[in-house]
Amino acid sequence: NAGVMQNPRHLVRRRGQEARLRCSPMKGHSHVYWYRQLPEEGLKFMVYLQKENIIDESGMPKERFSAEFPKEGPSILRIQQVVRGDSAAYFCASSTGTGDEQYFGPGTRLTVT
Amino acid sequence: LAKTTQPISMDSYEGQEVNITCSHNNIATNDYITWYQQFPSQGPRFIIQGYKTKVKNEVASLFIPADRKSSTLSLPRVSLSDTAVYYCLVGELDTGRRALTFGSGTRLQVQP
Repeated sequence: NAGVMQNPRHLVRRRGQEARLRCSPMKGHSHVYWYRQLPEEGLKFMVYLQKENIIDESGMPKERFSAEFPKEGPSILRIQQVVRGDSAAYFCASSTGTGDEQYFGPGTRLTVT
Repeated sequence: LAKTTQPISMDSYEGQEVNITCSHNNIATNDYITWYQQFPSQGPRFIIQGYKTKVKNEVASLFIPADRKSSTLSLPRVSLSDTAVYYCLVGELDTGRRALTFGSGTRLQVQP
């Protein structure tokens, strides 16, 4: 059973471009969580999704950030018009249900130049 | 949300037992204590979880005193591969607690 997969592992974008981060949950998992980690800090929750639904986006910045988890395909975290402050590691986790153990992917390291 | 306090860093040598203590003075009745491990350039990995007294698995032990205001993660006979950041998390296990809240963690460095 493959673990949580994220791609790309590294992403470089110039200021103003769009960044698209993908997350494929573990087989059988229908709950996806996105977290952001700045250097030397702990992970910060961004958004929690189930298939086709955003359940909790209390940690998402109000502008430029969006997330989706379509019926088919991976979950996508989209950052429009990236700025240098968006440079961070973005981790995706999945679980079988609310409150169940979350399994984390290897992360996508976004660098904005 | 209960706030947690951990040492910023710890040093140890191979073969030693390492104990990392986490303070959570405001822990609520419904809160569980969970520890995660994170290696560089990887996502966090679940280590152990408990509510009170002692929990043990093949990787670690978790000691929780009766007042539950602190907990201690115990790693027996550490090796170089245990060098990582260890996070203590406190929160409800049920539907009311979906997002994990990570602090800054404890950076454990194991020396040969």
